Amino acid sequence: GIQVEQSPPDLILQEGANSTLRCNFSDSVNNLQWFHQNPWGQLINLFYIPSGTKQNGRLSATTVATERYSLLYISSSQTTDSGVYFCAVGGAAGNKLTFGGGTRVLVKP
Amino acid sequence: GAGVSQTPSNKVTEKGKYVELRCDPISGHTALYWYRQSLGQGPEFLIYFQGTGAADDSGLPNDRFFAVRPEGSVSTLKIQRTERGDSAVYLCASSRTGREAFFGQGTRLTVV
Repeated sequence: GIQVEQSPPDLILQEGANSTLRCNFSDSVNNLQWFHQNPWGQLINLFYIPSGTKQNGRLSATTVATERYSLLYISSSQTTDSGVYFCAVGGAAGNKLTFGGGTRVLVKP
Repeated sequence: GAGVSQTPSNKVTEKGKYVELRCDPISGHTALYWYRQSLGQGPEFLIYFQGTGAADDSGLPNDRFFAVRPEGSVSTLKIQRTERGDSAVYLCASSRTGREAFFGQGTRLTVV
């Protein structure tokens, strides 16, 4: 099956700092999503981005499908950005998502 | 409802007992997924339904686990003879197109 690796595993930021999270995957994908898991365990959809670039407020994401990686950018981080960020990929429409191990982000005031 | 709803939010059961976990998907979503998340790890796939049928059950760990979706909407994950190793958060997701998936808040199962 598809392997998904996220880096870094842990990230500590000062409020206001920018950061980049990376997701590498081992095969071609038709589905790629970024999630934020909040401290209560809820997975919040950030981006559905099997290819290209998207932006939503302080967050943006880029997927380069031909090179099998995706990047999530957090700008001007806030304490509410703390939590675990997951990248998940799928090989075909309707198929299961395979999750990476996550990046645990802590934003300090 | 507006999102995927899972009940109960927490379940504590004794080893060897039977449990049922329920998932109400977003209205109109034909695809439904179950995942399991252990502490400190990413969610792991269990089973995928398209309509009423299980299209992929390759993630079910053994025959103590079973899931149904009889009318193509609500789904129930059933675990027989629970073991302490079954303790985890069980997540349900639904999708309208089979692409972007939306998750419920999960059921935290503790087997004592």
